Amino acid sequence: DARVTQTPRHKVTEMGQEVTMRCQPILGHNTVFWYRQTMMQGLELLAYFRNRAPLDDSGMPKDRFSAEMPDATLATLKIQPSEPRDSAVYFCASGLPEFMNTEAFFGQGTRLTVV
Amino acid sequence: ILNVEQSPQSLHVQEGDSTNFTCSFPSSNFYALHWYRWETAKSPEALFVMTLNGDEKKKGRISATLNTKEGYSYLYIKGSQPEDSATYLCAPAFSNYQLIWGAGTKLIIKP
Repeated sequence: DARVTQTPRHKVTEMGQEVTMRCQPILGHNTVFWYRQTMMQGLELLAYFRNRAPLDDSGMPKDRFSAEMPDATLATLKIQPSEPRDSAVYFCASGLPEFMNTEAFFGQGTRLTVV
Repeated sequence: ILNVEQSPQSLHVQEGDSTNFTCSFPSSNFYALHWYRWETAKSPEALFVMTLNGDEKKKGRISATLNTKEGYSYLYIKGSQPEDSATYLCAPAFSNYQLIWGAGTKLIIKP
């Protein structure tokens, strides 16, 4: 069945290391969102793409975070260098072109722990 | 900065009782209102997407209404069950392609 797939599900890394999280959106969905869940901020939008082009990445710390869509089947979120405060669950979601008034489908999330 | 408020922040309800909570948002440039249900250790799942003033949508025991002129939506749960325990998120979408998420209402159903 169609679902958003995120890898890895869990990642533990040391401070300073590079972390790459991957997302495979549902086939046919051209809108992809990256969210971060933290205790303090709830669900925080980091970036979103439409037709592989970044529409809004204002929620993302630019100095260490980067988000890309190399092709329509893969979105990546990279942190370099990682810091303990980046520890959170990172969700990817995908939606139809009419994402404003149709539902988004979320992946299972990547739980990142930076020690 | 667009402000989306959900109230209450958390809610304890006795099993079998009905309940409701609110999402408030700026009415200007409004496009659509999304409601999601988020269970602990899972990912958010869509409940409703509403666009028109006066819209009312229903899914089983859960329903939602929308007032776009005054900028609010209510979510109702009739006859709460333990499986309704979750955080309920609203996310209004605006015509400048912004989708802003509320902090959620955490609902706990007491058996």
